[in-house]
Amino acid sequence: QSALTQPASVSGSPGQSITISCTGTSSDVGGYNYVSWYQQHPDKAPKLMIYDVSNRPSGVSNRFSGSKSGNTASLTISGLQAEDEADYYCSSYTTINTLGVIFGGGTKLTVL
Amino acid sequence: QLHLQESGPGLVKPSETLSLTCTVSGASIVTSTYFWGWVRQPPGKGLEWIGSISFSGGTYYSPSLRSRVTISLDTSKNDFSLRVNSVTAADTAVYYCARLALRGGVTTRIDYWGQGTLVTVSS
Repeated sequence: QSALTQPASVSGSPGQSITISCTGTSSDVGGYNYVSWYQQHPDKAPKLMIYDVSNRPSGVSNRFSGSKSGNTASLTISGLQAEDEADYYCSSYTTINTLGVIFGGGTKLTVL
Repeated sequence: QLHLQESGPGLVKPSETLSLTCTVSGASIVTSTYFWGWVRQPPGKGLEWIGSISFSGGTYYSPSLRSRVTISLDTSKNDFSLRVNSVTAADTAVYYCARLALRGGVTTRIDYWGQGTLVTVSS
C-alpha cells in the first residue's frame, strides 16, 4: 500500500483536460509545498513534470499544471495529446522521513 | 547536461547480494545542494525509494529496506553504489539511480534519473 493515494486510472479524449489527484496527510502533502509529479512512458525512466506543487521545470509544456488543497494535490493536463498517455506518479516530502521520498501508487492515463 | 548511468549484473541468485553502480557525468557528486539515491520499480508496479547519500557520505534508507541496504559513494570516480543483501524474488525490479534536490535540509524532488537497469533475482 502506497503512502500517497492516487486513482489507478483516468482517461480523456484529445483536446480535453484531465486531473489526477494525490491524497496524503498533514504529515506530507498537506503540511508542506514539496509535492512533485513524474511522467513515465513504458520502459522509460520517470521524468519530473511538476515540483513544489505548481512549478514546471524548464522544457515542460505549460499544458501541465499542479495545485494543492488541504491534503490533496492535483495534476491537471489541458489540451490532452496522444503523447500524454503514460503513468503519472506523485511524490511528497514527509515528516516521517525528512530526507526520504514517498510516492503515490501511480495513475495510468489513457488518451482515448 | 547531467547524465546518470547504472551498471551491474542483471541476474542475481536468491540469498546473494545485489550490487549496482551509478556513474555520474556532467556534474560533480560533491555538492551540498543534492543527494544521490536509488529508486526501484518491480515489474508492473509503482516506484519505491530505496535510499540516498550525501556528498559527505551520510546515508538515509527506506525503513522497509534499511536492514539489507548499503549505499556508498566514490568521489574520485564520481559515482555511487547500491548493495542489497539476502535478495529474494521480491527484489526483482528495475533499479534507477537519481539526483535528489534539497532545500532547507529536506528532499524536495528528484530532478534527474538514470535510464534504469533490470535486476532479476532467480536461481
